[in-house]
Amino acid sequence: ETGVTQSPTHLIKTRGQQVTLRCSSQSGHNTVSWYQQALGQGPQFIFQYYREEENGRGNFPPRFSGLQFPNYSSELNVNALELDDSALYLCASSLAWGPTDTQYFGPGTRLTVL
Amino acid sequence: DQQVKQNSPSLSVQEGRISILNCDYTNSMFDYFLWYKKYPAEGPTFLISISSIKDKNEDGRFTVFLNKSAKHLSLHIVPSQPGDSAVYFCAASGGTDKLIFGTGTRLQVFP
Repeated sequence: ETGVTQSPTHLIKTRGQQVTLRCSSQSGHNTVSWYQQALGQGPQFIFQYYREEENGRGNFPPRFSGLQFPNYSSELNVNALELDDSALYLCASSLAWGPTDTQYFGPGTRLTVL
Repeated sequence: DQQVKQNSPSLSVQEGRISILNCDYTNSMFDYFLWYKKYPAEGPTFLISISSIKDKNEDGRFTVFLNKSAKHLSLHIVPSQPGDSAVYFCAASGGTDKLIFGTGTRLQVFP
């Protein structure tokens, strides 16, 4: 069984551009959650997908969007990048969407917006 | 508004001694609490959790204590080992709400 993987590891973009980050969940995990971790902060919940449908969203604007695919992969898309979007983006997969379902995190994608 | 607070950014402990990491929360609706450990260049790893119906949960060297009246939880690691050196995040959730993380405490265990 493979763990959660994310690509790319690092990414540099300029303000106004669009970015797509990718995550591959553990096989059998129907839920994927995305988090933003700014420097010196804890992970902040962006949104969650359960069986390809959005299942909860944190306090992030609509320019943050996502997709989940049947093959346990998912994407986080950010449009119109702003400097404050610079952060580590983490995805986490779990069997189901309840808070007691252990989330398994990937290593993250470090996004720098210039 | 920081609903989950870890007021100590760092902690240094000698190997073999006890490490105590603290976490405070403000939302009385939180009913499930977790601790995650994070090494550099890796994602957070689940460590231990506790439901609000309990006040203590133990797993090997790790024990989490919950004081609901004080809205406070702590993670005890005993004995501390150099491999425990990492950033520790506490997290909380309530009902169907998603996880809210604290800002983390960097633990360093020295020989």
